[in-house]
Amino acid sequence: AQTVTQSQPEMSVQEAETVTLSCTYDTSESNYYLFWYKQPPSRQMILVIRQEAYKQQNATENRFSVNFQKAAKSFSLKISDSQLGDTAMYFCAFMKRGGSEKLVFGKGTKLTVNP
Amino acid sequence: DADVTQTPRNRITKTGKRIMLECSQTKGHDRMYWYRQDPGLGLRLIYYSFDVKDINKGEISDGYSVSRQAQAKFSLSLESAIPNQTALYFCATSDRNTLSYNEQFFGPGTRLTVL
Repeated sequence: AQTVTQSQPEMSVQEAETVTLSCTYDTSESNYYLFWYKQPPSRQMILVIRQEAYKQQNATENRFSVNFQKAAKSFSLKISDSQLGDTAMYFCAFMKRGGSEKLVFGKGTKLTVNP
Repeated sequence: DADVTQTPRNRITKTGKRIMLECSQTKGHDRMYWYRQDPGLGLRLIYYSFDVKDINKGEISDGYSVSRQAQAKFSLSLESAIPNQTALYFCATSDRNTLSYNEQFFGPGTRLTVL
């Protein structure tokens, strides 16, 4: 079974600064996807970024980028130029490729962006 | 209008009552999922369905049942609610027939409180 670990229950950052959220995972699969989801106070789950394990290039989406280290089973999220609207819970998630496409989530990191 | 809707958005019920949470989608997706979110635990999969005739148990299915009445509708039932089923419940959808089939789209969530 796969597990996802987010070791930082809470983090804070000043507006306009950069912050990195950590995620590690455990799997014996070689073909999978990794995701970061954002959950603002509205509680809506919003996909931030997605990484395919067979792609060596790190995914980027505007101010969001990941550092994917497959051998180390690490998948961190970097948020640049943090904005107040980035305040949210962030969940790292794993999905095995093929089969049921079930998401396995970490416990989340609560990020607060301070003015 | 939202592509994935959940009703009710909030519900308070008493121990022993039967309750149904409903999910509808207009995205035309074939796959639907029910997740449960508890503070400090992230989201966990309850049930998932690939089509009307294909329903599967997830990680924490005990105490729950589901019905896929149509491709667009997936209901979650608590036959006899208990307090430890107090949680935030999410429905999600995905479509295996698109290039982004690994992406799941979430509804707004149902906050359930069992007294």
